Amino acid sequence: DIQMTQSPSTLSASVGDSVTITCRASQSISTWLAWYQQKPGKAPKLLISKASSLESGVPSRFSGSGSGTEFTLTISSLQPDDFATYYCHQYDTYSLMYTFGQGTKLEIK
Amino acid sequence: QVQLVQSGAEVKKPGSSVKVSCKASGGTFSRYTIGWVRQAPGQGLEWMGRIIPVLGIANYAQRFQGRVTITADRSTSTAYMELSSLRSEDTAVYYCARDDTLDVWGQGTLVTVSS
Repeated sequence: DIQMTQSPSTLSASVGDSVTITCRASQSISTWLAWYQQKPGKAPKLLISKASSLESGVPSRFSGSGSGTEFTLTISSLQPDDFATYYCHQYDTYSLMYTFGQGTKLEIK
Repeated sequence: QVQLVQSGAEVKKPGSSVKVSCKASGGTFSRYTIGWVRQAPGQGLEWMGRIIPVLGIANYAQRFQGRVTITADRSTSTAYMELSSLRSEDTAVYYCARDDTLDVWGQGTLVTVSS
């Protein structure tokens, strides 16, 4: 299986800050990577697919980049609603063995 | 607007099986894959497998091979995930989601495994 290493596991930040979350794949996945936001008791919400493609309705302060094995999710100018847990997910259509990163809990400092 | 509606919570004994359903409405069921993801209490997301309904072909995460079966009924736009040989560690919320990007999610089904 392709392993996804997500860091950091916890991130403390303030409203207005900019933060970056990283995911590293154990082998190249091209740009078959998505990012999700999850709040307690709720299903995850897709933010970004294909590494950098923002889903409709997702604020432009969310952005994704990367290809191959290194990927980042950046949230600029944090808003109160952004404090949640974030997951990366590789869906490499060649391996057909998809996996999630371990998650990053974004907390208010 | 496509919606995925899952079956209700289940309580199962260790060693038994559970079958969770996921019914799609408001969209074309066969156009997309349906994936299954679970989340144990306080833990992260875990991808279990997916099915291509139009082909009836499923593939599974290695750690669930032999214990999980994902099927789809195109006539009712419903996907199913059956997990066998349940143990306490299988207690989790099970989600279905559309497409390999998991862009639309069901509401989740809590499966509790307890003697």
